[in-house]
Amino acid sequence: NAGVTQTPKFQVLKTGQSMTLQCAQDMNHNSMYWYRQDPGMGLRLIYYSASEGTTDKGEVPNGYNVSRLNKREFSLRLESAAPSQTSVYFCASSELGRSHYNSPLHFGNGTRLTVT
Amino acid sequence: DAKTTQPTSMDCAEGRAANLPCNHSTISGNEYVYWYRQIHSQGPQYIIHGLKNNETNEMASLIITEDRKSSTLILPHATLRDTAVYYCIASNFGNEKLTFGTGTRLTIIP
Repeated sequence: NAGVTQTPKFQVLKTGQSMTLQCAQDMNHNSMYWYRQDPGMGLRLIYYSASEGTTDKGEVPNGYNVSRLNKREFSLRLESAAPSQTSVYFCASSELGRSHYNSPLHFGNGTRLTVT
Repeated sequence: DAKTTQPTSMDCAEGRAANLPCNHSTISGNEYVYWYRQIHSQGPQYIIHGLKNNETNEMASLIITEDRKSSTLILPHATLRDTAVYYCIASNFGNEKLTFGTGTRLTIIP
């Protein structure tokens, strides 16, 4: 039981390049999330998917797209990377919802992205 | 989410109880208090949550004041591995958009 797995762990891009961050969970969770964390700051929600087939914007969605490929996988795409997108990206999953009392967020260990 | 206020940093001696305060004076009746922690640069880890009653699990205890305007996370016997940033969040249960602030950096001193 690996929990939430993110790939790659590290990535360096040049401005204007594109890439996709991958996330997979093996806990059969319905909800999945992408956060970014900048130095000295808290986590900010980029996009989330409450269930397979649905996605919604979070606090900072500009410059990103997401795909909920299936129940297990939720990818984050940067179409044209910018230096302002240098950050650590965390994927999370949960069963959050009013029918699930004990359903905390489970996080992966992050992807450290540098855009030069 | 209701705004939460936490001290920027705290120290605690190893083996002692670590008491981390959180103010959430504008919390509404249906908002829970959640605590997470982040060790080094790992992904945050869930610790505990509660609505109005005190809660305890294998990691920590959560004490919520009767007026629910503040709470305290208690790590009963702190170890060096408890050194981390601790986040207090007040949010509706089932809210898909938990907001993480900057938290409290807890350092356990040998």
